[in-house]
Amino acid sequence: DQQVKQNSPSLSVQEGRISILNCDYTNSMFDYFLWYKKYPAEGPTFLISISSIKDKNEDGRFTVFLNKSAKHLSLHIVPSQPGDSAVYFCAALRVSGYALNFGKGTSLLVTP
Amino acid sequence: GAGVSQSPRYKVAKRGQDVALRCDPISGHVSLFWYQQALGQGPEFLTYFQNEAQLDKSGLPSDRFFAERPEGSVSTLKIQRTQQEDSAVYLCASSLLSREPQHFGDGTRLSIL
Repeated sequence: DQQVKQNSPSLSVQEGRISILNCDYTNSMFDYFLWYKKYPAEGPTFLISISSIKDKNEDGRFTVFLNKSAKHLSLHIVPSQPGDSAVYFCAALRVSGYALNFGKGTSLLVTP
Repeated sequence: GAGVSQSPRYKVAKRGQDVALRCDPISGHVSLFWYQQALGQGPEFLTYFQNEAQLDKSGLPSDRFFAERPEGSVSTLKIQRTQQEDSAVYLCASSLLSREPQHFGDGTRLSIL
């Protein structure tokens, strides 16, 4: 069963606007969440993470928000750039766990 | 280089053949992971090493899959008697410690004919 869900397979955003990628999870034992970015024919690259003790983490243009009661997190990219076009994966770790549980990914296209 | 290196990048094999996939992690990284990524899916966990010890192999799909990391550095994922459903991208990742962000290689794309 898919414990990490990314319900939007794709998203298109204009350059300079905000991109919002969403992720939902079902396992309340998850306590650490990560976003990875993946270009074609390359491996996933770590982008940003958040611990369940926080509700927001920011790194430059990237901000991750966590809503534990809703079991929902989102990645905001502001402003979006064409180089941000990639597949974004949400991943989660269980308490004391080490194996990443991935969603299916959202393909982001940033158009000029 | 400083990143995780995987070889070969592409592997085509006939059904029934054995294959071996190699992973060279980032130097000094204690933890090493293998994941399998099917088309249109996210990576799925296969196995985990801490140094040379294989602490978790619960994600290996069958006993045809075998992984080792004998000296705590390079790891090999071996698949015996390959079947068509083994076709996927196999990703290796390493991290300094088990719950640190994992750094991925570019993967080996395996195609079984």
